[in-house]
Amino acid sequence: AQSVAQPEDQVNVAEGNPLTVKCTYSVSGNPYLFWYVQYPNRGLQFLLKYITGDNLVKGSYGFEAEFNKSQTSFHLKKPSALVSDSALYFCAVRERAYNTDKLIFGTGTRLQVFP
Amino acid sequence: DSGVTQTPKHLITATGQRVTLRCSPRSGDLSVYWYQQSLDQGLQFLIQYYNGEERAKGNILERFSAQQFPDLHSELNLSSLELGDSALYFCASSPQTGIDTEAFFGQGTRLTVV
Repeated sequence: AQSVAQPEDQVNVAEGNPLTVKCTYSVSGNPYLFWYVQYPNRGLQFLLKYITGDNLVKGSYGFEAEFNKSQTSFHLKKPSALVSDSALYFCAVRERAYNTDKLIFGTGTRLQVFP
Repeated sequence: DSGVTQTPKHLITATGQRVTLRCSPRSGDLSVYWYQQSLDQGLQFLIQYYNGEERAKGNILERFSAQQFPDLHSELNLSSLELGDSALYFCASSPQTGIDTEAFFGQGTRLTVV
């Protein structure tokens, strides 16, 4: 079965500093990995995905993620955090099973960026 | 705007009642997924439909049911509601059953059972 884990419930970072939100995965076969962000009282917004190719994936709002096969990780990064980046971040993997391709989500990491 | 529309945005109802949540997927998207987000359980997959057919079931209670109509909109029916059913219910859609495509989420329906 596919799964992802987000080991940190919350990450705190000062504005202007680099940020990292961690995600590790467990899949059989090739992983199809996604990051979503949820702002208060809003739905989930797609940030970026890794399907194949370059290990560094660039996404929306200046975010990028690094795929590391040996460490089974897909950490979300941003070189310089903004207060407006404060939100709930979810890592997800596409299920690869007969007849379904549902997304399986991690437990989420709350990012707090302080001015 | 993701293009996925969910109605209503908020719903307050009493225990024992039945409610219907509605989802209109993005134009042309054939797959619809329902998720439940509660404070203590994160995002839980409930059910997936593809072009009118049920494709997968997750941790969906027997009191809950769903369907996808010929026009591809979907409804999630919740009956005999309990306090613990209070949560945010999300619908998402994808163009087809492609594992390399992202899913687009609606803004959710916040259900409060009192």
